[in-house]
Amino acid sequence: EAQVTQNPRYLITVTGKKLTVTCSQNMNHEYMSWYRQDPGLGLRQIYYSMNVEVTDKGDVPEGYKVSRKEKRNFPLILESPSPNQTSLYFCASSLGTGHSYEQYFGPGTRLTVT
Amino acid sequence: AQKITQTQPGMFVQEKEAVTLDCTYDTSDPSYGLFWYKQPSSGEMIFLIYQGSYDQQNATEGRYSLNFQKARKSANLVISASQLGDSAMYFCAMRGTISSGSARQLTFGSGTQLTVLP
Repeated sequence: EAQVTQNPRYLITVTGKKLTVTCSQNMNHEYMSWYRQDPGLGLRQIYYSMNVEVTDKGDVPEGYKVSRKEKRNFPLILESPSPNQTSLYFCASSLGTGHSYEQYFGPGTRLTVT
Repeated sequence: AQKITQTQPGMFVQEKEAVTLDCTYDTSDPSYGLFWYKQPSSGEMIFLIYQGSYDQQNATEGRYSLNFQKARKSANLVISASQLGDSAMYFCAMRGTISSGSARQLTFGSGTQLTVLP
C-alpha cells in the first residue's frame, strides 16, 4: 500500500530534550516536506527536500533540522524543543514539484513540549 | 507570494443538503494548482479534489465538485448530499510554479469546520 508513515504518532517531552520524528514514504517520491499545524493558522511549511541531499527552509524553519540521506526517509529533528513547538506535525511527499502533483500526507505527529 | 483565504471558520448543513465552502486565492503565477483536503477529527489529511488553472472544466470527484472562477480567483468546494461523515475541517490549498519558487510547498488557508446535522 502506498503510504507515508510517521513515528511517533504522539509524543510528550520536556524543554530542551532532543527528539527526532521519523518520516518514510514507499512511493519513490522525489519531493518531501514537513508542515506544522496550529489552530487558526492552517498548515505552514517547515522544511522541504527536492531530492536526496537537497533540502531547504520553508516558512517556519527556526528550531528545526532535517536531513535527506535516503530517498524514502526525511526525519525532522528538534535539537532543543521549546513549548512553542507544541503542534501537530505532518510529513508529506509528492512525485515531483509541479503544481499538478498531489501531496500525500502522513498520519501526523502530535507533539507536546512542557 | 501566494495567499489562500477561507472566510468561513464554521459552517452547518443539514444531512442530505448541498453545501458550498468558500476559497479565494491570490497569486501572480501564470499557472497553478488548487487542492481541497479534508481533515476529520482523527487528524489525517485526506485529498479530495484538484483543479488546474488551465483546466477548461470544473473538477468533480463523486459528491465533490470545485466551482472554479478564475477571473474572480475563487475555488469553492461544493459537497452534494451531505452525510454525517462529512463533518470535518476542510482546507483549500494551492501550489504554484517551479520558476517562481511557489511549487516548493502547498499554501493552505486557515480552514472551515463543517458540521453536518442529522
